Amino acid sequence: GDSVTQMEGPVTLSEEAFLTINCTYTATGYPSLFWYVQYPGEGLQLLLKATKADDKGSNKGFEATYRKETTSFHLEKGSVQVSDSAVYFCAFSQGGSEKLVFGKGMKLTVNP
Amino acid sequence: NAGVTQTPKFRVLKTGQSMTLLCAQDMNHEYMYWYRQDPGMGLRLIHYSVGEGTTAKGEVPDGYNVSRLKKQNFLLGLESAAPSQTSVYFCASSYVGRAQETQYFGPGTRLLVL
Repeated sequence: GDSVTQMEGPVTLSEEAFLTINCTYTATGYPSLFWYVQYPGEGLQLLLKATKADDKGSNKGFEATYRKETTSFHLEKGSVQVSDSAVYFCAFSQGGSEKLVFGKGMKLTVNP
Repeated sequence: NAGVTQTPKFRVLKTGQSMTLLCAQDMNHEYMYWYRQDPGMGLRLIHYSVGEGTTAKGEVPDGYNVSRLKKQNFLLGLESAAPSQTSVYFCASSYVGRAQETQYFGPGTRLLVL
């Protein structure tokens, strides 16, 4: 069935470290891909998205590229900040479907 | 704009009690969703609505009912709460249900069932 597999963590990094969070999906067709972020005590908010193969989503220094050949959408940031401490969720949505399928989320803590 | 708001923020129930969670959005969105978030499980869809007066089941609908009497409100009801329903509940909305559409989330309701 449809599913998302992502690194679960938790992960602790020092400020200015490089971040990669792996995400792969199992879905039919051509889903849209998303990264949502949940800051402590808040609801989820969209970080970035890509709607077709080879698209790159970017926001706040984060990037992810839609790789259909490897069914992946890995999240990267070159230099993390303390304010990036949050839980990151990979998700996808199928064409013709209203539903988002989420990964389990990965908690990131960035220390000064 | 307030976006998506949820009431209450936190509630403690005893097994067998009932309650209703309220979600409201002021973005004129057609689609609304209820999710639950459990440790190590990500978010799972409980019910959703594609417009006023319509509802549909999601991945984990058992033990919950919903209503969408007004476009801006989506209510989630627990008729007889069970400890397994201890969770954080998130409401979300989107303008339409296209795959590329962003969902906007509320701040969540933390529910503890004893």
